[in-house]
Amino acid sequence: QQQVKQSPQSLIVQKGGISIINCAYENTAFDYFPWYQQFPGKGPALLIAIRPDVSEKKEGRFTISFNKSAKQFSLHIMDSQPGDSATYFCAAPLTSGTYKYIFGTGTRLKVLA
Amino acid sequence: GAVVSQHPSWVICKSGTSVKIECRSLDFQATTMFWYRQFPKQSLMLMATSNEGSKATYEQGVEKDKFLINHASLTLSTLTVTSAHPEDSSFYICSAQGPGTRSIGRWNEQFFGPGTRLTVL
Repeated sequence: QQQVKQSPQSLIVQKGGISIINCAYENTAFDYFPWYQQFPGKGPALLIAIRPDVSEKKEGRFTISFNKSAKQFSLHIMDSQPGDSATYFCAAPLTSGTYKYIFGTGTRLKVLA
Repeated sequence: GAVVSQHPSWVICKSGTSVKIECRSLDFQATTMFWYRQFPKQSLMLMATSNEGSKATYEQGVEKDKFLINHASLTLSTLTVTSAHPEDSSFYICSAQGPGTRSIGRWNEQFFGPGTRLTVL
């Protein structure tokens, strides 16, 4: 099974701090890595995504860092806010060349006011 | 743009009955829709992929006779949980994808619905 391993399982950060969530993948054929944000009782929403031909992508307070050699990618949330409290999932294509995703196990982030 | 809706948002049913969940793409044509299942505090598990006008492709371990999927139009897919039992209680989420949705390179993004909470008594 082509897995995407995500850590930590939960994270508590003070307001204004940096939240860092990590994912590791096995299949080097993966070529697209989105991050999703999910609030309780809601469906996931795309936050930011990256392709492995770049090492970093930034959108506002959210940054993806990608390490192709280590087969790892991470989400950094700068200046974390209480409204960022949600569950975050990384994902990767289940089969290269298709649009099916396999999701990481999720990280529950709580930002303290 | 790229809004996906689901109906109902929650449903409670008796064991043995069937439940139908609708997934609609409101402002784009969804050539492909995906159905996921999510247990509390767990990740999303892909159940099946449906392409408009063709039979759904089910993931390993998902009973196709238990979870009937129909994708009859470019804006609607339905999931019917047949003869539901308490172990089918879960959060069911659909996603939709089609030409023109936001893309990165050759990828078309999936847009997720708000989910349907199914409780089987």
